[in-house]
Amino acid sequence: QVQLQESGPGLVKPSQTLSLTCTVSGGSISSGSYYWSWIRQPAGKGLEWIGRIYTSGSTNYNPSLKSRVTISVDTSKNQFSLKLSSVTAADTAVYYCARYSYGYAGYFDYWGQGTLVTVSS
Amino acid sequence: QSVLTQPPSASGTPGQRVTISCSGSSSNIGSNTVNWYQQLPGTAPKLLIYSNNQRPSGVPDRFSGSKSGTSASLAISGLQSEDEADYYCAAWDDSLNGLFGGGTKLTVL
Repeated sequence: QVQLQESGPGLVKPSQTLSLTCTVSGGSISSGSYYWSWIRQPAGKGLEWIGRIYTSGSTNYNPSLKSRVTISVDTSKNQFSLKLSSVTAADTAVYYCARYSYGYAGYFDYWGQGTLVTVSS
Repeated sequence: QSVLTQPPSASGTPGQRVTISCSGSSSNIGSNTVNWYQQLPGTAPKLLIYSNNQRPSGVPDRFSGSKSGTSASLAISGLQSEDEADYYCAAWDDSLNGLFGGGTKLTVL
């Protein structure tokens, strides 16, 4: 059974860089037809797609965040990571990592439990 | 403001049929498939419907999806108390950006 687990600081100061890592267990991050994504959800609000990475390293980012986002993958550690720079209070949210399975059909099939990141001084 | 538009709330009594709409455009729903996710309080979203109208194994057939043009719908028949949750539609746009609807909070009265 594939599992995803987010990790990283729960508190980040304004203007600093938010850094999170998603560790994938129960399967290789390099195998299969998958994109690895980050999605966030401010308290009481909806889901926002941040971006995705394929194990080749190719990425797509939400245009509204593109200038501040970097998603990378470390296949040797079976992990992928998110960096979001110049954060403000508006970036406070629960951050989820998720696997997007594509092929005949595409969908987010596995999600991490989510990690709350608060931006505050 | 989400590119995919959902009603913020919906409600029904046990046993009723409820539908939730998701409106987009030709560059997202109109040219790509729609998925639906269910999010119970305090948990991560769970895939409910994929490719417009397909149910993953384990999802009751009370849940069904449809798509027409630039809109999609999720229908829940035989409403049960455990269906009380937030529901999100999702699609890609033609620029390969992921989109979610704003979410619909379903209340079982």
